[in-house]
Amino acid sequence: DGGITQSPKYLFRKEGQNVTLSCEQNLNHDAMYWYRQDPGQGLRLIYYSQIVNDFQKGDIAEGYSVSREKKESFPLTVTSAQKNPTAFYLCASSTWAGGPNEQFFGPGTRLTVL
Amino acid sequence: AQSVTQLDSHVSVSEGTPVLLRCNYSSSYSPSLFWYVQHPNKGLQLLLKYTSAATLVKGINGFEAEFKKSETSFHLTKPSAHMSDAAEYFCVVSERNDMRFGAGTRLTVKP
Repeated sequence: DGGITQSPKYLFRKEGQNVTLSCEQNLNHDAMYWYRQDPGQGLRLIYYSQIVNDFQKGDIAEGYSVSREKKESFPLTVTSAQKNPTAFYLCASSTWAGGPNEQFFGPGTRLTVL
Repeated sequence: AQSVTQLDSHVSVSEGTPVLLRCNYSSSYSPSLFWYVQHPNKGLQLLLKYTSAATLVKGINGFEAEFKKSETSFHLTKPSAHMSDAAEYFCVVSERNDMRFGAGTRLTVKP
């Protein structure tokens, strides 16, 4: 069954702690993305990666870091430098043919900072 | 740079009546346009996409959208709303290496 998995579904963190969100895809897609969703603001791009070992900052990369060591995996670390990390985080993937094609989304991770 | 505006943050309809969710875009090139749906605490699911073929695009669950270049619009419609259509809907414009999401329209369906 092809798709994108994100784990965990819910995550709680204390202030000052780093936390890593997992994203895995078995769609053989080249590109992967991380978005942050806040109520009433739609989706904002954090980072994206077109190929393995390469990634670019999106609109709101400050306080976040990523890696892309494998085609299937694109973990996101929310660092203590992120001032307001409580949000719903969505991972997506797509083919890449001169630009992003339709994106397939995971079920999301809701991060709450206590 | 391209942008997308969803003209209504909230739309409320009665079950069985038509749905219209409005989306305007701006783009310097020939964009690709998408509509996604998101149910509460879930990921986004693609409803339909326009990629410079037919201007009237049919999607899943009875939704369709019409690309109107002269009006720079890509409105989403459905003839008859169902309770299960209640969700958040996002219009997306894609151009070259960039995709932009609208702020979303929350659709409420009343019994």
